[in-house]
Amino acid sequence: GDSVTQMEGPVTLSEEAFLTINCTYTATGYPSLFWYVQYPGEGLQLLLKATKADDKGSNKGFEATYRKETTSFHLEKGSVQVSDSAVYFCALRGGAGNNRKLIWGLGTSLAVNP
Amino acid sequence: DSGVTQTPKHLITATGQRVTLRCSPRSGDLSVYWYQQSLDQGLQFLIQYYNGEERAKGNILERFSAQQFPDLHSELNLSSLELGDSALYFCASSESPGRSTDTQYFGPGTRLTVL
Repeated sequence: GDSVTQMEGPVTLSEEAFLTINCTYTATGYPSLFWYVQYPGEGLQLLLKATKADDKGSNKGFEATYRKETTSFHLEKGSVQVSDSAVYFCALRGGAGNNRKLIWGLGTSLAVNP
Repeated sequence: DSGVTQTPKHLITATGQRVTLRCSPRSGDLSVYWYQQSLDQGLQFLIQYYNGEERAKGNILERFSAQQFPDLHSELNLSSLELGDSALYFCASSESPGRSTDTQYFGPGTRLTVL
């Protein structure tokens, strides 16, 4: 079945460092891909999404490109801030059938130090 | 603010008790999803409703039940509570779950503590 694999955390970076959080997936058809972020004590917020191959989602300086050839959707940011400290979840929604529930990765915790 | 509201924000109760969590979806969204987030099991999908009808079931225990009302708000009922039910419970809503581009928007969650 469909699945999402995220790199394990925690990831600890200094402010202004480059961030990559790896996400790979297994899916039939043409899924849509999502990154959600959960700040401490809060709910999940949609960070960005991509709905077809080669699409690039971007928001708040974060980017992720839907790579069908490598089945990946890695999250990147050129210069992280302390306020980016959160847990990041990669997810996919299957492209076939009516039961298109979100399939979630386990989450990657990011801590950014000043 | 996602537009999804959940009440209460915190709930503390004892083992064996029953609680009800409430969710109001974003305006125009017909589908509601419930998730459980715990430290040991991560984010678990529980159940989905669409326009009042159950659409999909995930890892929902038999002690748990949910429903979606005609005004589209949803309630998650947890009964015979156990210590292990302590978790964050999230509600999400979406407009068109049949489309692969459909996006779920999450509420702030209800933190349940079972003592």
